[in-house]
Amino acid sequence: GENVEQHPSTLSVQEGDSAVIKCTYSDSASNYFPWYKQELGKGPQLIIDIRSNVGEKKDQRIAVTLNKTAKHFSLHITETQPEDSAVYFCAASIPNAGNMLTFGGGTRLMVKP
Amino acid sequence: GAVVSQHPSRVICKSGTSVKIECRSLDFQATTMFWYRQFPKKSLMLMATSNEGSKATYEQGVEKDKFLINHASLTLSTLTVTSAHPEDSSFYICSAFDTNNEKLFFGSGTQLSVL
Repeated sequence: GENVEQHPSTLSVQEGDSAVIKCTYSDSASNYFPWYKQELGKGPQLIIDIRSNVGEKKDQRIAVTLNKTAKHFSLHITETQPEDSAVYFCAASIPNAGNMLTFGGGTRLMVKP
Repeated sequence: GAVVSQHPSRVICKSGTSVKIECRSLDFQATTMFWYRQFPKKSLMLMATSNEGSKATYEQGVEKDKFLINHASLTLSTLTVTSAHPEDSSFYICSAFDTNNEKLFFGSGTQLSVL
């Protein structure tokens, strides 16, 4: 089955700096890669996603890049703000797998004011 | 994004009682919903896949008689923790797949504490 590795597990940045979280996946058939943000005591919130037919997608301060050859994808957050502090999860989905996502282990991002 | 409503957000119960958690997709129909369990500072652990009108598919190690799942309509799935014990205390989260947008949305989670 699919295996998703996520790094780093914790990331501390200064407000205004950029943050990058990286994930690798094992199954080359994976074609959908969402990113979720989870705040303490809440459910994960979908913040951005990318499908395998594009290499990059951007939404304001958030961007995701995908390298299908290397089987890795990354989340980039620019001009970080304290409210960006949360746990971020990457995930990958294989077509015809019942819409199931395989999640990475999560990254705890701390943005210091 | 689409909205998935999960209730209750927090429940405290005595050992031996059963607890029902509801998951509703508010603005879309979901033929597939998923139930997860999350331990503190850990990732999401898939418990089962709930399919409307059919039996749920449970992950290895998850007791189907312990965690009863019902997906009676395209907008509602329920998880019942039967005869709950302190070791069942955890954060339970549901998600629903929006087939129109092909995206997965999560509920807000339920913190279960069994005394």
